[in-house]
Amino acid sequence: DAMVIQNPRYQVTQFGKPVTLSCSQTLNHNVMYWYQQKSSQAPKLLFHYYDKDFNNEADTPDNFQSRRPNTSFCFLDIRSPGLGDAAMYLCATSNLQGGYTFGSGTRLTVV
Amino acid sequence: EDQVTQSPEALRLQEGESSSLNCSYTVSGLRGLFWYRQDPGKGPEFLFTLYSAGEEKEKERLKATLTKKESFLHITAPKPEDSATYLCAVQNYGQNFVFGPGTRLSVLP
Repeated sequence: DAMVIQNPRYQVTQFGKPVTLSCSQTLNHNVMYWYQQKSSQAPKLLFHYYDKDFNNEADTPDNFQSRRPNTSFCFLDIRSPGLGDAAMYLCATSNLQGGYTFGSGTRLTVV
Repeated sequence: EDQVTQSPEALRLQEGESSSLNCSYTVSGLRGLFWYRQDPGKGPEFLFTLYSAGEEKEKERLKATLTKKESFLHITAPKPEDSATYLCAVQNYGQNFVFGPGTRLSVLP
């Protein structure tokens, strides 16, 4: 089945230690998104790629970076995680017809 | 600025007790309104897309309706497995997606 896959499902990292979350898709969608979702809150868009064009939300901290080496893969890099960065990170894809397909998310714990 | 609000914040129902969840929105140009179900610790699961006022869609015990200002998700005779957070989102013609905060639904046996 075509899908959006996020690895790992759970990630524990140390305060200040760089961490990378990954997302892959078999849908061949040209747009990929990264969202941060904290407990009982709506997902918050961090950035998205339209093909190779990177679009950063104005209030996304510089601590968060992203890479999209090809259509299928997208990475979220957190350069120096703080305790406030503990959250669920959701990857989503869409095509020009609209609508999102979400991955299962990666829950990040910072210790 | 596009905005989405959802009410109630939380809802507890007895099994079989029908109810509705509300999603109110303001958007510069509505491309689509989306309903998602999210279980704890998982990503949102797509339920419906509505594109124009008057449109309705159904799936099992769920029915979504749309007006120019709001959408309702009607749940008929809910079961405990319907317990989840239900998220509403709007997409504008710039492809931007705005989520509401969600409604946490608990269905008690």
